[in-house]
Amino acid sequence: DTGVSQDPRHKITKRGQNVTFRCDPISEHNRLYWYRQTLGQGPEFLTYFQNEAQLEKSRLLSDRFSAERPKGSFSTLEIQRTEQGDSAMYLCASSSPGAGNTIYFGEGSWLTVV
Amino acid sequence: AQTVTQSQPEMSVQEAETVTLSCTYDTSESNYYLFWYKQPPSRQMILVIRQEAYKQQNATENRFSVNFQKAAKSFSLKISDSQLGDTAMYFCAFMIYQGGSEKLVFGKGTKLTVNP
Repeated sequence: DTGVSQDPRHKITKRGQNVTFRCDPISEHNRLYWYRQTLGQGPEFLTYFQNEAQLEKSRLLSDRFSAERPKGSFSTLEIQRTEQGDSAMYLCASSSPGAGNTIYFGEGSWLTVV
Repeated sequence: AQTVTQSQPEMSVQEAETVTLSCTYDTSESNYYLFWYKQPPSRQMILVIRQEAYKQQNATENRFSVNFQKAAKSFSLKISDSQLGDTAMYFCAFMIYQGGSEKLVFGKGTKLTVNP
C-alpha cells in the first residue's frame, strides 16, 4: 500500500490558464475527498466522493472548479481560468469503512498562479 | 455552525517535557469522531490520534493522549516526553456526517516547536 498519491506536486501557472490535479487514493478506499489549504490555515473541505458519486460540493468550489472520479478509483480536480486567489495547496484524502473512519491524506499539490 | 477553535497559534516546549494543545468545537450532532492531525514541514498530514464521541475513555497512542470533555466540547492533546520530531503544525478536527456525505472540519492549527 503506497498511500494517497497526488500529481503534480507543484504547479506554477499563469493567470487564466487551466490546471488539472490527479489523485490516486489508497486501493480499495471508496471515499475520496479534496481539501484546499492556504498558508497559516487549516484545510478547507471542497468536495466528497463515495465511489464515483460526488455527494457533496462546498460553496468554495466555484463554477471554475470541477472534480471527477469516473470509475470510482482515481480523481481529478480541474481549475479553469485560474486566478491568483486560487494559489494554495490542494489536498486529496481517502478512507473506507474498514479504516475506522480514519481519513488518510496525500502530500498535496501546490498551485502558484502568477 | 460546525466549528473548531484552537486558541494557541504557537507553542514551544523543551525536549522531554510535556505539552498540552487546546481544542474546542461546536456541533449539534451527538455522535461524531474527533481527530488530531500533525503536519510536519514536509507538509503531509498524518493522523496522531482519534476519539469516538460515544466513548468516555480517553484515547491514548504511545506518548500522545487526549482529554475529551464532551459536555464542554473540549478535546485537548497531551504530548509526553516531547521529541524534536514532534515539531509540526497540529490540527484538531471532527468528522461531520450529513445527508449521506461526510467531511472533516479543521481548526486553524497550533504550531508546536520542540527545543533541544
